[in-house]
Amino acid sequence: QQPVQSPQAVILREGEDAVINCSSSKALYSVHWYRQKHGEAPVFLMILLKGGEQKGHEKISASFNEKKQQSSLYLTASQLSYSGTYFCGTERGGSNYKLTFGKGTLLTVNP
Amino acid sequence: NAGVTQTPKFQVLKTGQSMTLQCAQDMNHEYMSWYRQDPGMGLRLIHYSVGAGITDQGEVPNGYNVSRSTTEDFPLRLLSAAPSQTSVYFCASRSTGTTSNQPQHFGDGTRLSIL
Repeated sequence: QQPVQSPQAVILREGEDAVINCSSSKALYSVHWYRQKHGEAPVFLMILLKGGEQKGHEKISASFNEKKQQSSLYLTASQLSYSGTYFCGTERGGSNYKLTFGKGTLLTVNP
Repeated sequence: NAGVTQTPKFQVLKTGQSMTLQCAQDMNHEYMSWYRQDPGMGLRLIHYSVGAGITDQGEVPNGYNVSRSTTEDFPLRLLSAAPSQTSVYFCASRSTGTTSNQPQHFGDGTRLSIL
């Protein structure tokens, strides 16, 4: 069952912040975040494991709320290079390492 | 570093033709998978494998076959191509190891058009 991402799209000016959410109706073992630029393959950003940890990568960080089965991706002081589509991939325990991806959030950063 | 290699990068087929999309990884990853990506639909899992000789269906397996005879290779076969299979196909691999905190690595994709 696909996780639900919100918003579907967001437009920012360089330097602004954004939050992308990923929710699941099922209990999750981990949440993976990827960024994909047009015409390219998805690129790994970070993994969040159950336990509510928060991780960071450059000025991008994420959290995982195990009780709500929700993960949020935080982009601060956005740069032009942050533009792309962001996908969350969710993994359930006992799922044989399968990742189920959301439909994506299109992020556009303008000068 | 080769990583995950997909061939071909582009392909045009006629309805009813068969084809095999190739995927190879050189990272000794146990887990491999195939996704298709259509506009507005995200990445949908077609088939996956947790090791040589073991395959299983994902969300959208109809019309596709896979096999896993070696750890390195995971080909995807379209037996009778249909226009609805026009899509971008991504192969991915992942180490299973002792924990599940391993990222999934994607190939560059195969852009397939069925006329």
